[in-house]
Amino acid sequence: NAGVTQTPKFRVLKTGQSMTLLCAQDMNHEYMYWYRQDPGMGLRLIHYSVGEGTTAKGEVPDGYNVSRLKKQNFLLGLESAAPSQTSVYFCASRAVADTQYFGPGTRLTVL
Amino acid sequence: AQSVTQPDIHITVSEGASLELRCNYSYGATPYLFWYVQSPGQGLQLLLKYFSGDTLVQGIKGFEAEFKRSQSSFNLRKPSVHWSDAAEYFCAVGAGGGGNKLTFGTGTQLKVEL
Repeated sequence: NAGVTQTPKFRVLKTGQSMTLLCAQDMNHEYMYWYRQDPGMGLRLIHYSVGEGTTAKGEVPDGYNVSRLKKQNFLLGLESAAPSQTSVYFCASRAVADTQYFGPGTRLTVL
Repeated sequence: AQSVTQPDIHITVSEGASLELRCNYSYGATPYLFWYVQSPGQGLQLLLKYFSGDTLVQGIKGFEAEFKRSQSSFNLRKPSVHWSDAAEYFCAVGAGGGGNKLTFGTGTQLKVEL
């Protein structure tokens, strides 16, 4: 039982490049979330999903897209990376009426 | 919209001393409240949560928190701090069914002096 895993752990992009972050959970959780963490700002919700095939915007969705084609996976895409997207990205999942469990994070640098 | 305030950015305590980290929230309904801890380079680990019932909740690692509706607070406490407690602590409030979406505070960095 691996819990919540994130791929990759680190990535460096140039401005304008695209990439996809993968979040996987093996707990059969319905809900999944993507957050970004920046110094002094805590965690902010980017997008979330309440079930397979559904997604919704969070607090800071601009510049990101997501997909939840399979229940266990939640992908976060950056179509044209910008330096302002340099951050640590965390994925989380939870079952109904339970707490969120977090992955180890992906550190992204955009040059 | 809900919000969380953690007024202390940094706190330093001596090992063995007591600890209280402050958290104030703003939410229009009954809140779901959480405390998470993050060690350097790691993800977030749940310390404790409040959904309903007893306003004093016990968590892991000897932590507890008290929900005070009249003060809109959910302060985290530990009677005797250990050096391994040095980390960043985040308070969060949940909105939606079962705390669907979390809003986090900006965190409190705890340093423990030996």
